[in-house]
Amino acid sequence: QVQFVQSGAEVKKPGASVKVSCKAFGYSFSTYAIHWVRQAPGQGLECMGWINPGNGNKIYTERFRDRVSFTSDTSAGTVYMDLSSLRIEDTAVYYCARGPTYSGYDFWGQGTLVTVSS
Amino acid sequence: EIVMTQSPATLSVSPGERATLSCRASQSVGSNLAWYQQKPGQAPRLLINGASTRATDIPARFSGSGSGTEFTLTISSLQSEDFAVYYCQQYNNRPQTFGQGTKVEIK
Repeated sequence: QVQFVQSGAEVKKPGASVKVSCKAFGYSFSTYAIHWVRQAPGQGLECMGWINPGNGNKIYTERFRDRVSFTSDTSAGTVYMDLSSLRIEDTAVYYCARGPTYSGYDFWGQGTLVTVSS
Repeated sequence: EIVMTQSPATLSVSPGERATLSCRASQSVGSNLAWYQQKPGQAPRLLINGASTRATDIPARFSGSGSGTEFTLTISSLQSEDFAVYYCQQYNNRPQTFGQGTKVEIK
């Protein structure tokens, strides 16, 4: 069955970078875009952008564009999200999710808590 | 950026009753709208796609309607497992955006 497994929780200092991985199981990895969504404590959901593992195309939400990078390793069936210059307000759970074209996100990872604290 | 506005912020409903949640888009998104359910400590779960199509294994008590800028999620008879936060999302325009959520709580 389709499943995403994300890397474990991280604690980082302000100004540092974090890399979160998302490994896909149960479907043809190159077929669907993978989206990244974050959720600050007690808050709603925020789209960060997506990557198409099939052709490497990436779209970044404007407010993250200068600090975030998505990459994929097709042989490992894994996508990565790098977020740099971390701020206290980047403390959140980061989710990866599968997003077919013109569709909602049908399968989600379990989430990765990133805590930014001095 | 399209702003999605959900109402009410909190809905208090008794088990077995009907719940109606609203979502408004700041500009037309056609039928490119999804609804999600999220329980504490869990990832969101896709309920409705294309404004009105139930996702796989979603019970028939969940239904979606609307197009353009006004959308509704209806839960016909609330079960104990339905008390959660519900989000709408438009995927018609970039960036894809979510509403702020409606919490459905036990009355």
